[in-house]
Amino acid sequence: QSVLTQPPSVSGAPGQRVTISCTGSSSNIGAGYDVHWYQQLPGTAPKLLIYGNSNRPSGVPDRFSGSKSGTSASLAITGLQAEDEADYYCQSYDSSLSASYVFGTGTKVTVL
Amino acid sequence: QVQLVQSGAEVKKPGASVKVSCKASGYTFTSYGISWVRQAPGQGLEWMGWISAYNGNTNYAQKLQGRVTMTTDTSTSTAYMELRSLRSDDTAVYYCARQYPGGRDGMDVWGQGTTVTVSS
Repeated sequence: QSVLTQPPSVSGAPGQRVTISCTGSSSNIGAGYDVHWYQQLPGTAPKLLIYGNSNRPSGVPDRFSGSKSGTSASLAITGLQAEDEADYYCQSYDSSLSASYVFGTGTKVTVL
Repeated sequence: QVQLVQSGAEVKKPGASVKVSCKASGYTFTSYGISWVRQAPGQGLEWMGWISAYNGNTNYAQKLQGRVTMTTDTSTSTAYMELRSLRSDDTAVYYCARQYPGGRDGMDVWGQGTTVTVSS
């Protein structure tokens, strides 16, 4: 089971703002490790959306923003659009006995 | 442009091995590492391991230790992931992704995925 917990689903109408939480612990997010976010459209490979907690790669719209506090991180999508309907995953590093990179459980965003 | 191109789909019997390739282009291969990530049907992403293309150092997910081997061929800028003793729950899409050592910038370039089906 993943050590990073996300809500299974969130939804919103076009134009609205939605947020996705990523809850970790003192061995990953709380230890100061960076959080990254990925968007996976149906049938495609994941795409890096946010890196280093709050940075957008070139080409990613500024409607997407990331933040981190304590043992959690969040992804916000403002001005929700139909093309944002996808699965979203957070990712960090965990320094416990099985030191490794870890993904969140994933969140399905539905545009109503 | 920077891209990772993976080998084609594979169908294997339980107990067999599979080796997936990931050819990099458009950047200096040895300046980065490669992570391998898999996704079972209808499931989330699972990190499998990381290999440095600079010196071959590896870090494998604990649950796959002893069954997985990751290698690179710097002469062809290609990374490989071999998984042995395949079981039905290894059926998944396998992705390679470029990842800077230390993971500070996330996995910024992904391959298209390779479907591995394990079935008798």
